[in-house]
Amino acid sequence: DAGVTQSPTHLIKTRGQHVTLRCSPISGHKSVSWYQQVLGQGPQFIFQYYEKEERGRGNFPDRFSARQFPNYSSELNVNALLLGDSALYLCASSLSRIFSGNTIYFGEGSWLTVV
Amino acid sequence: AQSVAQPEDQVNVAEGNPLTVKCTYSVSGNPYLFWYVQYPNRGLQFLLKYITGDNLVKGSYGFEAEFNKSQTSFHLKKPSALVSDSALYFCAVRLPQFLNNNAGNMLTFGGGTRLMVKP
Repeated sequence: DAGVTQSPTHLIKTRGQHVTLRCSPISGHKSVSWYQQVLGQGPQFIFQYYEKEERGRGNFPDRFSARQFPNYSSELNVNALLLGDSALYLCASSLSRIFSGNTIYFGEGSWLTVV
Repeated sequence: AQSVAQPEDQVNVAEGNPLTVKCTYSVSGNPYLFWYVQYPNRGLQFLLKYITGDNLVKGSYGFEAEFNKSQTSFHLKKPSALVSDSALYFCAVRLPQFLNNNAGNMLTFGGGTRLMVKP
């Protein structure tokens, strides 16, 4: 079975531009989360989506937004990019939102460099 | 607020020796605890988790972790280290669903510990 898949794997953007990152969860998983991992740090929670609705949000500005589609795939959008947005963006999926003991599986990530 | 501390930025161990990567947490209630491993330029791979029950949890690749409620710790261990175990290890905590105040699937991660296993 395919794991969590993300695209693109690497991209370079200029300050002020917009970026869209995409994620497909593991088949059968309905919950998708996004994390930002800055070099040298642990991942930071951005969003969680379940059944196409936002179910949790971390401490990120409104420039960050996301959505989940009927097939449970998800997009993360970041507007007005700043140099500090350069990071590895990780998508994660789990079976449901309800049981917090469910294992969360991560994709390989999308490396974003803002210049 | 929940937090996780990994007090060692790096752990060095010789191949064949036992290894321990430390993790302590601060959270209200009984948390769920996770360990992930990250190889260079890769995403996170799940190793093991503690939900309830036996304090010693066994996971992938021969790793295990011991939950100690009184010390609020969840140290990762392996009896005999391999060079291929060299990677970045992250401990994470998550609140049970009735305590997470709509935080959803939020995992709170420690800063990571780099494990270096030398031949």
